[in-house]
Amino acid sequence: TQLLEQSPQFLSIQEGENLTVYCNSSSVFSSLQWYRQEPGEGPVLLVTVVTGGEVKKLKRLTFQFGDARKDSSLHITAAQPGDTGLYLCAGAQGGSEKLVFGKGMKLTVNP
Amino acid sequence: NAGVTQTPKFRILKIGQSMTLQCTQDMNHNYMYWYRQDPGMGLKLIYYSVGAGITDKGEVPNGYNVSRSTTEDFPLRLELAAPSQTSVYFCGISSRAPKEGYGYTFGSGTRLTVV
Repeated sequence: TQLLEQSPQFLSIQEGENLTVYCNSSSVFSSLQWYRQEPGEGPVLLVTVVTGGEVKKLKRLTFQFGDARKDSSLHITAAQPGDTGLYLCAGAQGGSEKLVFGKGMKLTVNP
Repeated sequence: NAGVTQTPKFRILKIGQSMTLQCTQDMNHNYMYWYRQDPGMGLKLIYYSVGAGITDKGEVPNGYNVSRSTTEDFPLRLELAAPSQTSVYFCGISSRAPKEGYGYTFGSGTRLTVV
């Protein structure tokens, strides 16, 4: 059983399109993080959200943490080829710093 | 300031061989982790450490061992390599900032193939 479910798992879009990635769970998380990973490299942290309902923006990326702290979304506006990569969500529970990862969403942005 | 350094980058092992995956950090963080990433499966926690001399099992510890004699180093040991251990291994550290949540910094990974 996967604790964090990401959808969609794959997405191929044209440059300039918008997209939303979802990260869902039936469990409550004390914090939720989003990472981006390129081939042959380790995941790189994009953002951490800790408060239910919190919204954070990072240039064209908007992250939201659900009110009940069980889910999160990542919205990318006007996608660019440089956004291509694997997007992973990860959650921490209770006072632990151990992370549980989703399977990821592989994004391809075509020029 | 290299952050988290993993060596080797690639390795091919024969079944039954042993090896140590090295992980070194220069950020003076106490919390260190070993994850494995299989295709389409996300990352799964193998072992973690909250400081020198302290280690604990994660979700998938079987077939692995760790030690933490210094803050900087957290090696992962495979004693009897099996094909099921073919994977990409990532070492990570976490910064602890309760108000901001936790953020991991990962190394660039070790791609291990067991044949």
